[in-house]
Amino acid sequence: DAGVIQSPRHEVTEMGQEVTLRCKPISGHDYLFWYRQTMMRGLELLIYFNNNVPIDDSGMPEDRFSAKMPNASFSTLKIQPSEPRDSAVYFCASSLAGTRGSEQYFGPGTRLTVT
Amino acid sequence: AQSVTQLGSHVSVSEGALVLLRCNYSSSVPPYLFWYVQYPNQGLQLLLKYTTGATLVKGINGFEAEFKKSETSFHLTKPSAHMSDAAEYFCAVSSYYGGATNKLIFGTGTLLAVQP
Repeated sequence: DAGVIQSPRHEVTEMGQEVTLRCKPISGHDYLFWYRQTMMRGLELLIYFNNNVPIDDSGMPEDRFSAKMPNASFSTLKIQPSEPRDSAVYFCASSLAGTRGSEQYFGPGTRLTVT
Repeated sequence: AQSVTQLGSHVSVSEGALVLLRCNYSSSVPPYLFWYVQYPNQGLQLLLKYTTGATLVKGINGFEAEFKKSETSFHLTKPSAHMSDAAEYFCAVSSYYGGATNKLIFGTGTLLAVQP
């Protein structure tokens, strides 16, 4: 399996622009997670889905952030409008539902720079 | 609610020395515990995990961790550090409730430096 795929790997945009990050989970996995990592705040869970349905979006920082999962093999995280403080590495992870401690598999991340 | 505390945001060891990274957890139900490693400019990769059974868990790259319920700890060790072990290490906990255990609570990470 190719693992979790994220695109783009790097994104540089100007403040006020819309940014869309994309994720393809591992085939067959039914959980998908979006994280943000910064030096100041560490690793933060933004939102996660189960069977394409958002379960917990309490980590989404504000209304400028939105996430969708239209099908089992694709998810997007959108920031509109973007701000310099959104600069971070965004990770997508997926896992298989289980009752005995299912590990998450992380993608390589998207490094977002907002100028 | 579950939580994880990693003592020491930065740890430095000499090549060949023992590596000990500390993790303490809080959980009202039996925990499932994980250690992840993040190399520069990469995503997180699973090192090892504890679910049930044997409390000493062996992982990749010679790392192991021991679950100690009485101490609520899950410290990560490696007998002899290699230069290639330099990375950031994250401890995480999940618990079984509501039929799923997939959400992980991560610690703040420990950056391991290995000196030649």
